[in-house]
Amino acid sequence: GAVVSQHPSRVICKSGTSVKIECRSLDFQATTMFWYRQFPKQSLMLMATSNEGSKATYEQGVEKDKFLINHASLTLSTLTVTSAHPEDSSFYICSARRSGRDTDTQYFGPGTRLTVL
Amino acid sequence: AQSVTQPDIHITVSEGASLELRCNYSYGATPYLFWYVQSPGQGLQLLLKYFSGDTLVQGIKGFEAEFKRSQSSFNLRKPSVHWSDAAEYFCAVGASQAGTALIFGKGTTLSVSS
Repeated sequence: GAVVSQHPSRVICKSGTSVKIECRSLDFQATTMFWYRQFPKQSLMLMATSNEGSKATYEQGVEKDKFLINHASLTLSTLTVTSAHPEDSSFYICSARRSGRDTDTQYFGPGTRLTVL
Repeated sequence: AQSVTQPDIHITVSEGASLELRCNYSYGATPYLFWYVQSPGQGLQLLLKYFSGDTLVQGIKGFEAEFKRSQSSFNLRKPSVHWSDAAEYFCAVGASQAGTALIFGKGTTLSVSS
């Protein structure tokens, strides 16, 4: 099946630093990728929709200047958490849309655990 | 408002027993419905999905789900649970198969006792 990877799987950083998370579709091209955030014991909440070659669309309440998204190629989207603070600590999950003649499915990455000290 | 409700936060079933996880949705358009499973430290794996047609959908790992429009429900079932089924289960709804982001329920944690 289709594979989506995320790197890193875990990251610990100091408050005020920036962290970049990569989301890659390994065996298919994804024109659309989604970034979700999951708090402990909570559901996934959509942060933004990332379209290759264009600006990301952010959900209400998500600061676009804080969560920078770049979808530079058909297999890579990045989420950069700028000037991270402890409240940004969370589990970040991406998904990639695979569409074709016989399929149209979102595949999820394994997630990135961010801890901001 | 669009939402997904999973009324059961945590369910424990005995190995070999049957399972039903509940999911209710509120959606303004024709819903595309999904069930995902998440094991600890893992990503989400699609169990099954429903778009149209037969309201009883078969998925992987022996799971099935039934869409009931009148009840706005999409409950997940498995006739005989295995210990490896212990995980977090999420119901989700979207406006299309994959082109739009999904709205997720809060999840149900399944524990399997021996």
